[in-house]
Amino acid sequence: GAVVSQHPSRVICKSGTSVKIECRSLDFQATTMFWYRQFPKQSLMLMATSNEGSKATYEQGVEKDKFLINHASLTLSTLTVTSAHPEDSSFYICSARIQGSNQPQHFGDGTRLSIL
Amino acid sequence: EDQVTQSPEALRLQEGESSSLNCSYTVSGLRGLFWYRQDPGKGPEFLFTLYSAGEEKEKERLKATLTKKESFLHITAPKPEDSATYLCAVKIGNTPLVFGKGTRLSVIA
Repeated sequence: GAVVSQHPSRVICKSGTSVKIECRSLDFQATTMFWYRQFPKQSLMLMATSNEGSKATYEQGVEKDKFLINHASLTLSTLTVTSAHPEDSSFYICSARIQGSNQPQHFGDGTRLSIL
Repeated sequence: EDQVTQSPEALRLQEGESSSLNCSYTVSGLRGLFWYRQDPGKGPEFLFTLYSAGEEKEKERLKATLTKKESFLHITAPKPEDSATYLCAVKIGNTPLVFGKGTRLSVIA
């Protein structure tokens, strides 16, 4: 149980392209989802917290107009990297939590984004 | 100042050589401490949650323990397939998890 599916697993695209990443909780409802970014050999950096039906809460230094988050249902959140540039290249990972704030977060397998 | 510190950064073990990974935290009001395993190019895989000092959880060759200041992940007789990065994270109040930087474990056959 508690499976999180993230798609696509890898994206390579040209600078200026917008890229959408999907995160789905397959066997549970997730009122809260999280988006992380991870650089090589570094830990997870929280970008934003996404609550179903409301605006996402972004961490300090994360541009909300650059990284658009939509959490329209209890099983789906999307992250759109708008007008991506090479510095946006990274490993993006989503996470979802079963209702109940002390429950563990379950993670997707990440999306490797490469901007040429 | 880091709230969650993991040590060592990297650990190399021979197959069968037991050891422990450490996660120390400086926060108050801990609501839970979580251990994850992350393989290269993958998302973290949930292992354990510990909620109170003295609590222990076990899964196969792994055993996690918790005190008021730190948690240990004990690995007994590790195998090469245990090689991964092990992450710990703490939950404080209603905030998102705060992750440590991880310990990269390599188990050599």
